[in-house]
Amino acid sequence: GIQVEQSPPDLILQEGANSTLRCNFSDSVNNLQWFHQNPWGQLINLFYIPSGTKQNGRLSATTVATERYSLLYISSSQTTDSGVYFCAVGWTGGFKTIFGAGTRLFVKA
Amino acid sequence: SQTIHQWPATLVQPVGSPLSLECTVEGTSNPNLYWYRQAAGRGLQLLFYSVGIGQISSEVPQNLSASRPQDRQFILSSKKLLLSDSGFYLCAWSTGAMNTEAFFGQGTRLTVV
Repeated sequence: GIQVEQSPPDLILQEGANSTLRCNFSDSVNNLQWFHQNPWGQLINLFYIPSGTKQNGRLSATTVATERYSLLYISSSQTTDSGVYFCAVGWTGGFKTIFGAGTRLFVKA
Repeated sequence: SQTIHQWPATLVQPVGSPLSLECTVEGTSNPNLYWYRQAAGRGLQLLFYSVGIGQISSEVPQNLSASRPQDRQFILSSKKLLLSDSGFYLCAWSTGAMNTEAFFGQGTRLTVV
């Protein structure tokens, strides 16, 4: 099956810093999502981005499907950005969404 | 707008007891429905998915089963819980087309003692 790898596994930032999270996948996909899991466990949809670039406030994401990776950019990080960021993909002809292991982010005040 | 409800939020059950977790979706028809499990500090593992009433696909052989008695209702069950069934269980839905955006419920934190 398809493999999804996220890096780095852990990240500590000072408030105000910028960061880039990466998601690599092993096969062609037609669905890619980024989620933020808050301290209460809830998964918040950040981006649905099978290809191209999107921006939402301080967050933006880029997926290069032909090279099998996606990047999530966080600018001017805030303590409320802390949590786990997951990349999840689905492949052509399927109904399943498979998750990477996540990047655990801690933003210090 | 669409909403997904999952309950209970937390559950403590003894080993060997039965389990029933329920998930319902409002505001859409014929959704794809999913059950995921997250062990502490780990990623999400897909357990079951369903593309229609009575249609269940199992991803991981285990002590759990799923059922879809109605279009927008998805139930996760066990006849006898094991300690290893502890975890955070999340229900999700997406539209009927293949590989569209998925949305998650708030999860059930299950502790088997």
